[in-house]
Amino acid sequence: QVTLKESGPGILQPSQTLSLTCTFSGFSLSTYGTGVGWIRQPSGKGLEWLTNIWWDDDKYYNPSLKSRLAISKDTSNNQAFLKITNVDTADTATYYCARIVEGIPFEDWGQGVMVTVSS
Amino acid sequence: DIQMTQSPSSMSASLGDRVTITCRASQDIGNYLNWFQQKSGKSPRRMIYGATNLAAGVPSRFSGSKSGSDYSLTISSLESEDVAIYYCLQSIQYLTWTFGGGTKLELK
Repeated sequence: QVTLKESGPGILQPSQTLSLTCTFSGFSLSTYGTGVGWIRQPSGKGLEWLTNIWWDDDKYYNPSLKSRLAISKDTSNNQAFLKITNVDTADTATYYCARIVEGIPFEDWGQGVMVTVSS
Repeated sequence: DIQMTQSPSSMSASLGDRVTITCRASQDIGNYLNWFQQKSGKSPRRMIYGATNLAAGVPSRFSGSKSGSDYSLTISSLESEDVAIYYCLQSIQYLTWTFGGGTKLELK
């Protein structure tokens, strides 16, 4: 059974760095064709793809946010991480991580974690 | 960057209706088009991948098709449980991905 769960600070102030963790089970990020992606959704708005990390440590970022994003992984501990620097109120959203299988996106999703940026 | 234009942004239909939602890609994405369903307060669920492949556990009334640069999600006979927001996602292999803007489907 595959599970993913996001965790994060809940609330942070503008200009700080947001650090999120995706802890997963039931698959390995060292398996060929496997990846983990991060997606966010402001309340009442649509889905926005942020970034993917692949089994071979390849990384791809949303061009509009690329300068502020950093994705990484800890294969041994079944975790993926997302950092967003210099956050603003526009970064307030629910953040999801999701599994990529054989290059096919987002077969499984976490429950999401709400992040609020407020002074 | 590849843009995905999804239409309509919202629609209402009656039970038993045939419903079609469309996404148009700004560049060639081959068959790298996926559809997701999101019910209120829930995480998205993958419905279609590779433009036409039904994801595991998805009812057969859902189908995906491609015509040129237009991709469609069709529900052959709308049921109440299909009320949701639907999103397309282009996933050109190992590159940057893009969601469409979403289609809110309601019952008439």
